[in-house]
Amino acid sequence: GAGVSQSPRYKVAKRGQDVALRCDPISGHVSLFWYQQALGQGPEFLTYFQNEAQLDKSGLPSDRFFAERPEGSVSTLKIQRTQQEDSAVYLCASSSVLREQRIRAGELFFGEGSRLTVL
Amino acid sequence: DAKTTQPPSMDCAEGRAANLPCNHSTISGNEYVYWYRQIHSQGPQYIIHGLKNNETNEMASLIITEDRKSSTLILPHATLRDTAVYYCIVRVEGGSNYKLTFGKGTLLTVNP
Repeated sequence: GAGVSQSPRYKVAKRGQDVALRCDPISGHVSLFWYQQALGQGPEFLTYFQNEAQLDKSGLPSDRFFAERPEGSVSTLKIQRTQQEDSAVYLCASSSVLREQRIRAGELFFGEGSRLTVL
Repeated sequence: DAKTTQPPSMDCAEGRAANLPCNHSTISGNEYVYWYRQIHSQGPQYIIHGLKNNETNEMASLIITEDRKSSTLILPHATLRDTAVYYCIVRVEGGSNYKLTFGKGTLLTVNP
């Protein structure tokens, strides 16, 4: 497809379950971001990849959150032992620009997000 | 990155201009003003950005005050599809400042 694709769109998990959220970025985009958006709030940065390298994971809220991008394209955000406070929309975004380069506005493309509800 | 202040919500009549304000009184000289919007159940979408001068594109106009402490996003002829949360973000371009820091934004409701 032409845009960033995320799956599943909706996920309901019981507290304590592990979940995995997938992001297919725009083909050829080297930079990939994950954001978390709680209800009524703006998106908050979680982590950043440049190709397969995870260069910034400062926003991951706990060690239960893990992200990977092993071949520099598709990325997976994994949440272990989910808690109710993990309920949120998880957004993925990609860009063709490297971190060190000038990231011009409009070059960050977001997917529609994966809505996680933890019961 | 400088913080921004936006009203939590605004209403606008369809076909009229929507003027969304943003205060960024602590903005630095090398920080740009960006606007994104997020339609319900979608990811954020870039609208426009600027440094000092007013900017216009096919979606909107951005008016930045001379002292750069505030700006206004103008949607000249709002439609129902413009109902969304609008985020004003200030950020230095390039270098390590690759992250976007979103606030709570302004929920614009366009009424028929």
